[in-house]
Amino acid sequence: SQELEQSPQSLIVQEGKNLTINCTSSKTLYGLYWYKQKYGEGLIFLMMLQKGGEEKSHEKITAKLDEKKQQSSLHITASQPSHAGIYLCGADIYTGTASKLTFGTGTRLQVTL
Amino acid sequence: ETGVTQTPRHLVMGMTNKKSLKCEQHLGHNAMYWYKQSAKKPLELMFVYSLEERVENNSVPSRFSPECPNSSHLFLHLHTLQPEDSALYLCASSPTPDRPMNTEAFFGQGTRLTVV
Repeated sequence: SQELEQSPQSLIVQEGKNLTINCTSSKTLYGLYWYKQKYGEGLIFLMMLQKGGEEKSHEKITAKLDEKKQQSSLHITASQPSHAGIYLCGADIYTGTASKLTFGTGTRLQVTL
Repeated sequence: ETGVTQTPRHLVMGMTNKKSLKCEQHLGHNAMYWYKQSAKKPLELMFVYSLEERVENNSVPSRFSPECPNSSHLFLHLHTLQPEDSALYLCASSPTPDRPMNTEAFFGQGTRLTVV
């Protein structure tokens, strides 16, 4: 099983609608990062969350890390075509010997007109 | 523009060829990484370099050979690859390899590799 599970795997929303993407771990997350990727390109950093209960916003995107630090959500308000892409959560997960920056499988977002 | 540059952006190579991927950063970062991204799989960490020294090798086949001549440059040398090695190869850098850390990793645009 994946160390980081993202849901949904893909999402199609109409422009102007709100949406939420979730990232869940079975282990405590010491650092949670949200990235956006356009198909076939590199990752663009969106936000970093470290403290349980922390919430950050940038433009129309809000990310939260739950109190237990095992789940994060990314919420987009009034989606636009420019929001389309693949959203990836990454986290520092302790493997027993070291912490590694591990990523989920991503959520592919399409925004229709 | 993240400050991490990868070349080439696209590469098609035969199974008997030898090629190299290049990654460059002038952010003053001390750690550099190679990741592999295949369809419908999460990003896989391949190698981690800290101050030009390899600190992690995640059971990557020997047909992938990394090289870090200085803290600004990272190469991935490829030889006798298989079609299943076709993927997007991403380079990243961060101030330190120590995790957890208080800053994100910066990614390059990636090299789309196709092995025929």
